[in-house]
Formats: sequence, C-alpha cells, structure tokens
Amino acid sequence: NAGVTQTPKFQVLKTGQSMTLQCAQDMNHEYMSWYRQDPGMGLRLIHYSVGAGITDQGEVPNGYNVSRSTTEDFPLRLLSAAPSQTSVYFCASQWGRNTEAFFGQGTRLTVV
Amino acid sequence: KNEVEQSPQNLTAQEGEFITINCSYSVGISALHWLQQHPGGGIVSLFMLSSGKKKHGRLIATINIQEKHSSLHITASHPRDSAVYICAVRPGSGGSRLTFGEGTQLTVNP
Repeated sequence: NAGVTQTPKFQVLKTGQSMTLQCAQDMNHEYMSWYRQDPGMGLRLIHYSVGAGITDQGEVPNGYNVSRSTTEDFPLRLLSAAPSQTSVYFCASQWGRNTEAFFGQGTRLTVV
Repeated sequence: KNEVEQSPQNLTAQEGEFITINCSYSVGISALHWLQQHPGGGIVSLFMLSSGKKKHGRLIATINIQEKHSSLHITASHPRDSAVYICAVRPGSGGSRLTFGEGTQLTVNP
C-alpha cells in the first residue's frame, strides 16, 4: 500500500515553461487536494477535488490547472511557470471530509 | 489575523521534558488536525479530533471547542521528536478546505 505518491521530488523550470506534478493514491479516497508551502506561511490550498470529475478552486488557484479523471490520480499543471511559483507542493488525500489526511512527500519546485 | 494561530513559533527543549504546543482558531470547525513535518519535508498526520482528547504513545492532543483552542503535548520528549508541528482546521460551515497554522519548530536536544 503506497499511500500518496507524488512525482517528481525536485524540479527546476525556466520562466514560461509548463509542467505537470503528478499525484496518485491507492486508498480509494474521494477527497484530494494540492497545497503549496512557502516560508513564513502555512500551507495554502491551490485546488481540490471531492471525487472523480469534480474539481474546485482553493485559496491560490491562479496559474494552476487540475483535472480528476479517475479516483486515483489528481495532476497539477503549471501552465506558464513564474518565479512566484517557486515553492514546495504537497498533494493530500482523505477518505471523507472529516477523516485523517494523508500527504505525499512533496515536490520542491524552483522557477528561474 | 490568521484564522489559525500557533504558539510558540519555535521551541527548544531538553530530552525528557514535557512539551506543549498550542493552537487557537477563530472560526467554528468540524475537525482539527495535528500534523508533523520532519526535515526532508514529508508531512504525517498525528491526530484528527473534533472533541475531547486523543492519545497515541507519548503524544496527547486535546481540544476545547468552546474556547476554540487545542494543545498538543509530548511527554518524555526525545531528539527524534524534533520536527515542525502543524495545526489545521476544517471550517464547520461546509466546504472541503483545511486552513493551516504556520507551524511550530520543535528542537529537542540530547
């Protein structure tokens, strides 16, 4: 049972490049979320999904897209990377709204 | 003012000490999470609670819904407890998002 798997762990992008951060969970969780973590700030929600085919915006959605075609996968797309998107990104999943949260290992992204 | 405030921001203790980390929040909630983040970055869920008290090994989490306050206690602290401890709440008004505190950096010296 792998839990929540995030790839890649590290990535350097040039300004304007696009990329996709992958997140997969094998626990049949309905709820999945993407957060970014920046120094001096708590984790902030980018986008979330309450089930396959359903996504919604969080606190800081600009510059990011998501899709949820299957229960297992919830990729995060950076459309045109900017230095302000330099951050550590975490994917998380939960079985239901008020259940334990499981986090991926994080992706450290640097945009130069 | 953040919706979730943690104190202290930094805490240094000697091995064996009893440690308390506090979390105050300003909204009605349906659940509160305590998380642990080790150097290297991975985040692990320690507790999820909506009332009362939970215990797991040397860790104890309590919550007072009326006072909008939660505490995480570590008994007989050990250097391996050194990590960032994060409090997060889910609003009770609906919606799916968690709101996070900034975290408490704990260092336990041998």
